Amino acid sequence: QQQVKQSPQSLIVQKGGISIINCAYENTAFDYFPWYQQFPGKGPALLIAIRPDVSEKKEGRFTISFNKSAKQFSLHIMDSQPGDSATYFCAVSTGTASKLTFGTGTRLQVTL
Amino acid sequence: GAVVSQHPSWVICKSGTSVKIECRSLDFQATTMFWYRQFPKQSLMLMATSNEGSKATYEQGVEKDKFLINHASLTLSTLTVTSAHPEDSSFYICSATRGGLSEAFFGQGTRLTVV
Repeated sequence: QQQVKQSPQSLIVQKGGISIINCAYENTAFDYFPWYQQFPGKGPALLIAIRPDVSEKKEGRFTISFNKSAKQFSLHIMDSQPGDSATYFCAVSTGTASKLTFGTGTRLQVTL
Repeated sequence: GAVVSQHPSWVICKSGTSVKIECRSLDFQATTMFWYRQFPKQSLMLMATSNEGSKATYEQGVEKDKFLINHASLTLSTLTVTSAHPEDSSFYICSATRGGLSEAFFGQGTRLTVV
């Protein structure tokens, strides 16, 4: 059973556009929802994370929107840049330091 | 942010041999370390959770006798792939956390190729 479903699988966005990646989860016990960015041949790096007590969190060009009732959360990348081209993973866990379950990943390409 | 370092970054070994991968937290004490495996263009799959001084907890389907994990200190965990086979070729990534509400910090990964 897949605990977190991520879409789309791939995404092409023009420079300056908005990139939107979505994730849906099943288990209401999850209480930590991070997004990671991974470049080829590198480990993932935390971009931004949210807890279910807030519906939105913004850090620079990155925003997480969280819908607790729908059990969905999304990553918005504003003013997308070619340097944002990478694979993005959502993840879920119960408690920050607990083991993370990752989504399937979204390969983002930002074109000039 | 905290730094987690893996060594080596890549390794090639012959079938039947064993290879050890190190994961170090350079500037903090890691109460818990996690080991993940990632196949090309796929997601990260958790293999095991290790706490300093205790036996690792393996995920279902992961052979504990094949993937030996040792967490001997608060800054070092090792993953040993024993009797490696070509199907063990993968990208292995560790993460470390201080515990509590601390986030997990990831290493840069180790590319293992078994020939």
